[in-house]
Amino acid sequence: ETGVTQTPRHLVMGMTNKKSLKCEQHLGHNAMYWYKQSAKKPLELMFVYNFKEQTENNSVPSRFSPECPNSSHLFLHLHTLQPEDSALYLCASSQEGGWTNTEAFFGQGTRLTVV
Amino acid sequence: GIQVEQSPPDLILQEGANSTLRCNFSDSVNNLQWFHQNPWGQLINLFYIPSGTKQNGRLSATTVATERYSLLYISSSQTTDSGVYFCAVALQGGSEKLVFGKGTKLTVNP
Repeated sequence: ETGVTQTPRHLVMGMTNKKSLKCEQHLGHNAMYWYKQSAKKPLELMFVYNFKEQTENNSVPSRFSPECPNSSHLFLHLHTLQPEDSALYLCASSQEGGWTNTEAFFGQGTRLTVV
Repeated sequence: GIQVEQSPPDLILQEGANSTLRCNFSDSVNNLQWFHQNPWGQLINLFYIPSGTKQNGRLSATTVATERYSLLYISSSQTTDSGVYFCAVALQGGSEKLVFGKGTKLTVNP
């Protein structure tokens, strides 16, 4: 079993649908992250959770709603998305928030297509 | 915010060739990581290297923090090395943000 697992791997949704992305980490980490990777753009940080508390919201539209029920699980709830939201969504975890002496580990990603 | 520039943006090699990928950053960092993104999208950790030199098999990396750059060396490249290589850094001072460069797309031909 990989350290960080994301489901589903692929998702196609209409603009009026509601769906959720799931991320689970088995590394005993305390910080979890959502990143967005669009074509031709660098990875963009969306949200940071440290010990289940949201510590960063990088000006993400409210149609993306994160949830972190515990340090091992992270969700991204999606509703009324736009076609430009189509991207690869990557979840990551690290030992704790702050980046001194700690590495990020990523899941396989969810490739989202909004039609 | 911190700027991360990677070069070259694209690189095409024949199997067996060596290559050097570069990452320049604009400020002092306390974290630098190299990742390989495979064709299926997953980011694979290669090195955590805020300073110094590390080696892992055919790959090695060097970060010169005082001069704000890092190099990733790939020797005797194989087709499975193809993909995009990312450098990511975090500012000294405990920032929550790990900032990524745009990546170097490597294609290794048989």
